[in-house]
Amino acid sequence: ETGVTQTPRHLVMGMTNKKSLKCEQHLGHNAMYWYKQSAKKPLELMFVYSLEERVENNSVPSRFSPECPNSSHLFLHLHTLQPEDSALYLCASSQVDSNTGELFFGEGSRLTVL
Amino acid sequence: EDQVTQSPEALRLQEGESSSLNCSYTVSGLRGLFWYRQDPGKGPEFLFTLYSAGEEKEKERLKATLTKKESFLHITAPKPEDSATYLCARRAGGYNKLIFGAGTRLAVHP
Repeated sequence: ETGVTQTPRHLVMGMTNKKSLKCEQHLGHNAMYWYKQSAKKPLELMFVYSLEERVENNSVPSRFSPECPNSSHLFLHLHTLQPEDSALYLCASSQVDSNTGELFFGEGSRLTVL
Repeated sequence: EDQVTQSPEALRLQEGESSSLNCSYTVSGLRGLFWYRQDPGKGPEFLFTLYSAGEEKEKERLKATLTKKESFLHITAPKPEDSATYLCARRAGGYNKLIFGAGTRLAVHP
């Protein structure tokens, strides 16, 4: 496996379900990110982890709960979601001290909330 | 509020028809302007970083330029494989936090 891998690629859940999105990076990076992408809207930054510590929580509702157990893995735990939470959830990683500002994205998890 | 605004929202070109995409930003003290390409069903892929007004970067048929208020992505003699959504972003603080524009959907027809 190389790059940034996200699972599952597609997820359908009811509003009362609990599910998790997983992200794994094989690039040796020290920062990981969750972004939300809704149709015709800009990518919205949700959470940033640097060296496994959360450094940004962008006013995200508590029904989204991130977890970063180590520098290679990032989870997004989902519970009691709303239909408007349906979107593509993108994970990214980067080397924080790199001056290129380049983020490496996974292919995303397409979430549908019924 | 600091924003990144991209135009047009969508662009249709014939193969070989050159054009430019625009990205304007409202923050002073820019700490980096970034261009990404996103194919359907995929995550964004990094293209360019620009830091200073007057700076230019090139890759194949793409050239990115930067002024004090906006950036352009010039596409010369595009091919159908250049069809994608092009995203512009600026750095918004430490930890490589990026604020993205809504993107320009480019379709190049043979």
